[in-house]
Amino acid sequence: EDQVTQSPEALRLQEGESSSLNCSYTVSGLRGLFWYRQDPGKGPEFLFTLYSAGEEKEKERLKATLTKKESFLHITAPKPEDSATYLCAVQAGRNFNKFYFGSGTKLNVKP
Amino acid sequence: DVKVTQSSRYLVKRTGEKVFLECVQDMDHENMFWYRQDPGLGLRLIYFSYDVKMKEKGDIPEGYSVSREKKERFSLILESASTNQTSMYLCASCRTLRTGETQYFGPGTRLLVL
Repeated sequence: EDQVTQSPEALRLQEGESSSLNCSYTVSGLRGLFWYRQDPGKGPEFLFTLYSAGEEKEKERLKATLTKKESFLHITAPKPEDSATYLCAVQAGRNFNKFYFGSGTKLNVKP
Repeated sequence: DVKVTQSSRYLVKRTGEKVFLECVQDMDHENMFWYRQDPGLGLRLIYFSYDVKMKEKGDIPEGYSVSREKKERFSLILESASTNQTSMYLCASCRTLRTGETQYFGPGTRLLVL
């Protein structure tokens, strides 16, 4: 069964305390893996797309990596404004028409 | 910047009512999507449309229908609202599916069915 699982469900960090969020997936025919940030009461906001194992992308304090089974979102020296829910999504299928989302990791960074 | 707008941020409806949720995108995207988001379940695809008047069922289409008469506009219809359709509804669009291009999301409509 195709699915995307994110862990942990929730993560509390002190400001400056680096950590990683995990997204593991079991899909056939991966077309792309996406990371989004979602603030309360808002729609998800795009962060990164990864296409193949070994690929890495960075944006400010965030770095996303991809293997054949999982992706990590590394957060270096987080700030309170990084607090949000981070969603992982996978696009798959021969016609690129299958989309699977994880249930998210809720990150809380305390000052 | 891509902009996806949804007609309402909050809606309260009664069981059995017909409900229309509208979504508009301003970037001439081919593809538009409707998801619902529930705690612990993530986003689940209801329907998507790859062209005007063209649609494809997602994972949970039961109880919903969609309409896309113009490229920029995608409507989600709840024919007879039920309490288990209380949820956050998110619309998204993307230019093409082929390159794994990201979807851009609207702000969401929080629907409460009483």
